[in-house]
Amino acid sequence: DQQVKQNSPSLSVQEGRISILNCDYTNSMFDYFLWYKKYPAEGPTFLISISSIKDKNEDGRFTVFLNKSAKHLSLHIVPSQPGDSAVYFCAASDMGHKLIFGTGTRLQVFP
Amino acid sequence: DAGVIQSPRHEVTEMGQEVTLRCKPISGHNSLFWYRQTMMRGLELLIYFNNNVPIDDSGMPEDRFSAKMPNASFSTLKIQPSEPRDSAVYFCASSLEDPSYNEQFFGPGTRLTVL
Repeated sequence: DQQVKQNSPSLSVQEGRISILNCDYTNSMFDYFLWYKKYPAEGPTFLISISSIKDKNEDGRFTVFLNKSAKHLSLHIVPSQPGDSAVYFCAASDMGHKLIFGTGTRLQVFP
Repeated sequence: DAGVIQSPRHEVTEMGQEVTLRCKPISGHNSLFWYRQTMMRGLELLIYFNNNVPIDDSGMPEDRFSAKMPNASFSTLKIQPSEPRDSAVYFCASSLEDPSYNEQFFGPGTRLTVL
């Protein structure tokens, strides 16, 4: 039973445009959410996070939005660049315990 | 400064053989995690240690899997006997103190193929 779901396995976006990656979760006890980015043959690297007391967190071109009532979060990348092409994992945590990851979304940014 | 080190990077073995994956966490980190990545289930936490003590092993698939952390700088994940369905990429990660609110640093992974 997947508690964290990324329903789009892949996304293709043109360079310069916005990329929107989505994530849904089922456990209302989750209080911290993270996005990780993974290039081929490398381990995932931390990208951005958000606490459940916030609804938005921004870091440069990356913004994460949290909608607690819908149990949904999204990652916006503006503008998208070819170097952003990677697999993005959404993860959630409940009260300081282990991270639960989604299945990932492969983003391809083309020129 | 070296990141998380995993060995081997690739492992090909035959069904029934024993497989041992190794991990060296970042110096000073006291939490260590073993994950398995598959297409169907994404990144699954298998087990995590805090100060060398196993805290949660509920993700370990079955008794064929075991993990140890004899000291702060070394951990192993062993599969015995291995089966084709164990084929996946196995990641080790480490972090400071509280596991979730601090960034986890991942190693490059070990790609395991069981024939």
